[in-house]
Amino acid sequence: ETGVTQTPRHLVMGMTNKKSLKCEQHLGHNAMYWYKQSAKKPLELMFVYSLEERVENNSVPSRFSPECPNSSHLFLHLHTLQPEDSALYLCASSQGPRYEQYFGPGTRLTVT
Amino acid sequence: RKEVEQDPGPFNVPEGATVAFNCTYSNSASQSFFWYRQDCRKEPKLLMSVYSSGNEDGRFTAQLNRASQYISLLIRDSKLSDSATYLCVVNSYGGSYIPTFGRGTSLIVHP
Repeated sequence: ETGVTQTPRHLVMGMTNKKSLKCEQHLGHNAMYWYKQSAKKPLELMFVYSLEERVENNSVPSRFSPECPNSSHLFLHLHTLQPEDSALYLCASSQGPRYEQYFGPGTRLTVT
Repeated sequence: RKEVEQDPGPFNVPEGATVAFNCTYSNSASQSFFWYRQDCRKEPKLLMSVYSSGNEDGRFTAQLNRASQYISLLIRDSKLSDSATYLCVVNSYGGSYIPTFGRGTSLIVHP
């Protein structure tokens, strides 16, 4: 196991809902990441946190709001999403930003 | 030009074959490099880091060519279980280290 957990594993939400994705890493890492993976598209980096500070916000719409309360936990708050936001959302962690990443199993999100 | 490019394939090879993938990158200041494998509807899993001198892990060999800005992955004696998508990752520094994933190369190993 990678030591990175994500909940929920599956989520169906309407466009007016608010939900949150949770990621927790048990590896003692200092950096955490959110990625979006849509069908037949490469992984898209959304956010990077290093030592609990956001170091990258890759032009992500404001309907996605990350939160990193400590180095072990990462959240992605979702509100007023669009159907095109349906995708696999992956969390990862690493020792630091230049090191290899370990991924959680992902949350498969469907926006109806 | 895309930052990290991979031939999407699929590479369709028989068991026991040797297969190689390349991944080119555009940022000459790139600092660290990795190969991941991703099975269908699963998360990417680290396969190996890529070191300047090249490195080997069992049937897998990774190489880095900084002059030509590409990394490679060689798989010897392919197994059916090697069927997956292989992703290369390049970390580049621009104020902080940012990882960029390639689109992945699909490998199908058949009996």
